[in-house]
Amino acid sequence: QQQVKQSPQSLIVQKGGIPIINCAYENTAFDYFPWYQQFPGKGPALLIAIRPDVSEKKEGRFTISFNKSAKQFSLHIMDSQPGDSATYFCAASIGGAQKLVFGQGTRLTINP
Amino acid sequence: DTGVSQDPRHKITKRGQNVTFRCDPISEHNRLYWYRQTLGQGPEFLTYFQNEAQLEKSRLLSDRFSAERPKGSFSTLEIQRTEQGDSAMYLCASSPRDTSYGYTFGSGTRLTVV
Repeated sequence: QQQVKQSPQSLIVQKGGIPIINCAYENTAFDYFPWYQQFPGKGPALLIAIRPDVSEKKEGRFTISFNKSAKQFSLHIMDSQPGDSATYFCAASIGGAQKLVFGQGTRLTINP
Repeated sequence: DTGVSQDPRHKITKRGQNVTFRCDPISEHNRLYWYRQTLGQGPEFLTYFQNEAQLEKSRLLSDRFSAERPKGSFSTLEIQRTEQGDSAMYLCASSPRDTSYGYTFGSGTRLTVV
């Protein structure tokens, strides 16, 4: 009930491509769904977050798509750049940004 | 105040020793969280404070682990009688009272138990 399942584990995309990372959850009480980006040796940094009352949110080159009925959400990165190469984590929580349950992470590589 | 500060960045200790980590949150944030992250995995929740009150503890936080936030500012996480399985990155994060804003994580303390 508390798990968030993330796929794929790793992803390689050419520069300019649109990597898509998917997450699925079971607990319908979750009401906050953030995505974090983590570089080696650093803590995760918040990229973008969505609430279940909207189906899509864009911030710059990052877009979250949310499907409440399927209990799935995904991250799209437009015009990907080598600097976007990092590990991405989805997460979910109840009551806003409180205790977060993280997915297992996706190691993204953008080739030049 | 530019972010969440954690000290030390790295700690190598012998099995059985006690270790203590410190976290200084963003000054206006009243919520503080500790997470543990092992290699290739997402962070796992350990505990969180609102001001000086510890509001929730994970089952991951065995009796060898204790966290404090004595004056509602910085926090410490102590691990007693360390085991090799405690080797991980320990992450601290803080957030304001308004939970519509996300966390800010520190860079973590990497613990290696030998």
